[in-house]
Amino acid sequence: ETGVTQTPRHLVMGMTNKKSLKCEQHLGHNAMYWYKQSAKKPLELMFVYNFKEQTENNSVPSRFSPECPNSSHLFLHLHTLQPEDSALYLCASSQDLGGLVGELAKNIQYFGAGTRLSVL
Amino acid sequence: RKEVEQDPGPFNVPEGATVAFNCTYSNSASQSFFWYRQDCRKEPKLLMSVYSSGNEDGRFTAQLNRASQYISLLIRDSKLSDSATYLCVVDTDKLIFGTGTRLQVFP
Repeated sequence: ETGVTQTPRHLVMGMTNKKSLKCEQHLGHNAMYWYKQSAKKPLELMFVYNFKEQTENNSVPSRFSPECPNSSHLFLHLHTLQPEDSALYLCASSQDLGGLVGELAKNIQYFGAGTRLSVL
Repeated sequence: RKEVEQDPGPFNVPEGATVAFNCTYSNSASQSFFWYRQDCRKEPKLLMSVYSSGNEDGRFTAQLNRASQYISLLIRDSKLSDSATYLCVVDTDKLIFGTGTRLQVFP
């Protein structure tokens, strides 16, 4: 276990549904991330939160709406998705966005197991 | 040019073989470098950080060449359990992930 928990692990939804993905980290980290991983593509960074504040939105369509109520929890609200949004959605956390502790980078990310999303 | 480029593979090697992966990056200002491992249908997990002087962790050796902007990962004495996709990750203000190199170790 990495200390980052995602639920649900699998989700099937229609294009008119509204659902939410949840991520919780027990590592005392300050930064949290949402990534999308599609087949044969690199991980795509979607959103970054640092101390509950959104620091990055990587041109993500508005049908994806993140929420970060505190440093330990991150949600991704989904509505009116398209079939091409089907992918593995990964949450990650890191101690901080940057900096070093000795030689160890503080932005090393630890991932949850992901939510495999299918949009019909 | 992609920010992080890796040979997608797959690399099919027998148990006990030595295999090396290379990764190139485009931003010369990149500061930190990592190798992650991702098993099929699982999340990426940190394998090792890559330090300027190069570093070794058991059968795994990582090296950084800043002048040529590439990172390498060497795996010695391959095990069946090493079969996975290896992701090269470069820190340029944010972490940029490569598409990964798939390794398949066969008996």
